Amino acid sequence: EIVMTQSPATLSVSPGERVTLSCRASETINNFLAWYRQKPGQAPRLLIYGASTRATGIPARVSGSGSGTEFTLTISSLQSEDFGVYYCQQYNGWPRTFGQGTKVEIK
Amino acid sequence: EVQLLESGGGLVRPGGSLRLSCSPSGFSFSDFAMSWVRQAPGKGLEWVSTISGIQTTTYYADSVKGRFTISRDNIRHTLYLHMDSLRNEDTAIYYCAKGQGFSSTWYWDSWGQGTLVTVSS
Repeated sequence: EIVMTQSPATLSVSPGERVTLSCRASETINNFLAWYRQKPGQAPRLLIYGASTRATGIPARVSGSGSGTEFTLTISSLQSEDFGVYYCQQYNGWPRTFGQGTKVEIK
Repeated sequence: EVQLLESGGGLVRPGGSLRLSCSPSGFSFSDFAMSWVRQAPGKGLEWVSTISGIQTTTYYADSVKGRFTISRDNIRHTLYLHMDSLRNEDTAIYYCAKGQGFSSTWYWDSWGQGTLVTVSS
């Protein structure tokens, strides 16, 4: 099983700040990595797939990067709608696995 | 617009059975792999099962293998998850998710709002 490890567990951020979330895979996943954001009481929403491709409707301030086993999600200037829990997920192998999540909260 | 509507959740005793359904709209159902992903109360996301489009190849998490069965009716446009031998640890919100991608490398581009399954005596 591919283990996905996210850091940090929690980020306290002020609106307008730059945010960087990290995700590490226990083995190479050939860039088959997705990022999702989940707000309380809501379903997850796809943000990034293929490690760096933004999903439909995701603003340009959200970007993904990385390769092999190390990946990063960056939000260049945090807006109110960006708060929530962020999950990375690999879809290179079975079982599909998620990171434990990074909670981005208002400072 | 893609929509996924789950139903069938509820309270069930340990050892019992339940069948979840997901009714999609806004896309050609048979062309896409579909999955179930769950989230226990206050916890993270856990993949449960995936079924491919036409060939209906199935995949399961070890935690549910042998107890859960995923299936689809491409005529009635419905995805199912039949759950047997339910355990307390199966308590979760179960999300239906639409796969996107190719050659079994599917990510999930649309999600339903989920249905709550509670296993308790």
